[in-house]
Parts: sequence; C-alpha cells; structure tokens
Amino acid sequence: NAGVTQTPKFQVLKTGQSMTLQCAQDMNHEYMSWYRQDPGMGLRLIHYSVGAGITDQGEVPNGYNVSRSTTEDFPLRLLSAAPSQTSVYFCASSPRTASGANVLTFGAGSRLTVL
Amino acid sequence: SQQGEEDPQALSIQEGENATMNCSYKTSINNLQWYRQNSGRGLVHLILIRSNEREKHSGRLRVTLDTSKKSSSLLITASRAADTASYFCATDAGSGNTGKLIFGQGTTLQVKP
Repeated sequence: NAGVTQTPKFQVLKTGQSMTLQCAQDMNHEYMSWYRQDPGMGLRLIHYSVGAGITDQGEVPNGYNVSRSTTEDFPLRLLSAAPSQTSVYFCASSPRTASGANVLTFGAGSRLTVL
Repeated sequence: SQQGEEDPQALSIQEGENATMNCSYKTSINNLQWYRQNSGRGLVHLILIRSNEREKHSGRLRVTLDTSKKSSSLLITASRAADTASYFCATDAGSGNTGKLIFGQGTTLQVKP
C-alpha cells in the first residue's frame, strides 16, 4: 500500500499565482484532512472531509479551497498565493470507526514557498 | 486557538535516560493521541488513550491521562538516539467520529548518544 501520497514535495510560487496540492490515499479511508505546519505553531487544520462530496472548514481555512469528488482524492487549492501561505502542508486520512477513535495516517508533506 | 499545549517545548537528554513530555488541552475529549515526527517527515501515530482510561503502555512508551486536569503525559523510557524527533499530542476536541484532530505545538526531543 502506498498510504497517503502528496504531490508536489516542493513548490515555489510567486505572490498571486494559483496552484493545487494533490493528495491521494489508497486505504479506502472515509476521512481526509489538510494541515499546515509552521515553526513554533504545531499543526493547524485547514479543511477536512468526512466523505465524498462533504467538506468543512478547520481552524485556518482562508485562502484555501477543497473539494472531495472521490473517496481517494482530496486536493487543496490556493487561489491567489500570499507569502503568509509559505508553510509545510500535510494531508492525512483516517477510517471511520465504531468507537469514534480516528487514528490519522499522514503523507510526507509538501513544502511551499511563496515569494 | 489550538487545543493542546505542550511542555517543555524542547528537551535534551542522554541516551538511556527517560524523557517526559506533558500536554494540556482545553475542552472535553473522547480520546487523546500522541504522534512522532522525524525531521522533514510526516507524523506517525504512537499511541491512543481514551477518556475513560488513566494509563496505557506500548513498548517503551507510557501515556497517562488526567481528564480532571485536562492533561496528559508521554514517558519514553530508556531513550535511544533514534527517539530524537518532535512529539505532538492531539485530541478530537469532543468532535467525535470526524477524523478531525487538534494538535499541540509539540516537544522537540534530542537524545544524545
């Protein structure tokens, strides 16, 4: 199993450009989420999804869009990149469980620099 | 604001010593988890403790949970150089079965050989 695959691993953008960070999982997990990690800030939730066609905002959603057309894919779109979006982005997935305890499987991360 | 706050922010010990990290959270929870992140990598799940549990063990890891104080601790016994990493606590913040976790800021552990 590949697990959670993120692409690209590295990206440099200019202010105002748009791009999409790709995330795919092959574990048939219902739940997927995007986090950003900044120095000294830990991980902050951007958007999450509890199933195909269902998304919701996390703690820091501004400037980002998501959609979930399939169970496997959960792309994160930056519509107009800003230097404040320079960060490392992590995608994660987890299965629905009867107990409600959701253990996340993370991708390797995408490092984004906005100039 | 983030759910979890971790203490200390950084910890440096010698190989063979024990390492203790603490996590405090703000709201009610169903469970609390600990993750490890090696430099430049994604996070890896270590252990989960439910709100009705007080202590849990996994190998050299021991986790405690005090829901009355809204705090948890992670103890790594007989540390090794390979334990050098950042450690994060995460809670579901009572959100239930959504796959949504709120992370603390993390503790950076350095184990010197």
